[in-house]
Amino acid sequence: AQKVTQAQTEISVVEKEDVTLDCVYETRDTTYYLFWYKQPPSGELVFLIRRNSFDEQNEISGRYSWNFQKSTSSFNFTITASQVVDSAVYFCALKGYSGNTPLVFGKGTRLSVIA
Amino acid sequence: GAVVSQHPSRVICKSGTSVKIECRSLDFQATTMFWYRQFPKKSLMLMATSNEGSKATYEQGVEKDKFLINHASLTLSTLTVTSAHPEDSSFYICSARANRGVQPQHFGDGTRLSIL
Repeated sequence: AQKVTQAQTEISVVEKEDVTLDCVYETRDTTYYLFWYKQPPSGELVFLIRRNSFDEQNEISGRYSWNFQKSTSSFNFTITASQVVDSAVYFCALKGYSGNTPLVFGKGTRLSVIA
Repeated sequence: GAVVSQHPSRVICKSGTSVKIECRSLDFQATTMFWYRQFPKKSLMLMATSNEGSKATYEQGVEKDKFLINHASLTLSTLTVTSAHPEDSSFYICSARANRGVQPQHFGDGTRLSIL
């Protein structure tokens, strides 16, 4: 069975602070995909990143960076110099290799960035 | 990029009515679409997998007679909440994946359903 755990339910930071959102996953698949989505108050899901299980290279995109550690089954997400607009719920998700398998979501982390 | 359109974005209706939600892939074909439900401040729970030209696959605990899914074409899946009750009030969101290649799942903007 596949499972995604986001242990942090809510995080509050002051603007310009760095914040890391944790994600730990479980899967029996040897090949799989990991995702992060942002859900602002308006409700839509915004795709942030997809990572293949065989690519452990960390990625940076502007103020966002992701640390994939296969050895610890973690795929953590860091926002550098956080801004108020970063306030949202962030979901980590896992998908099996087969094309028609759905995403399995973590419970989400609600990030509040205070000015 | 690929876009998934979900309509309507918000529905308020009386108990007992049926509500249809549409999910369209606008610039790609999707053999499979997924329907999720999200309770307030909760995660997205998969309800069913919608397969073009065949019956949907429902997750355990989801009533197939309550939540009718039709996937009549490669670009459209519909979810009908039949005889809706207040406990059906929720945020429903669909997703689709392009048939070709390895693509991320694209999500509609969701439908906020409120049953009075």
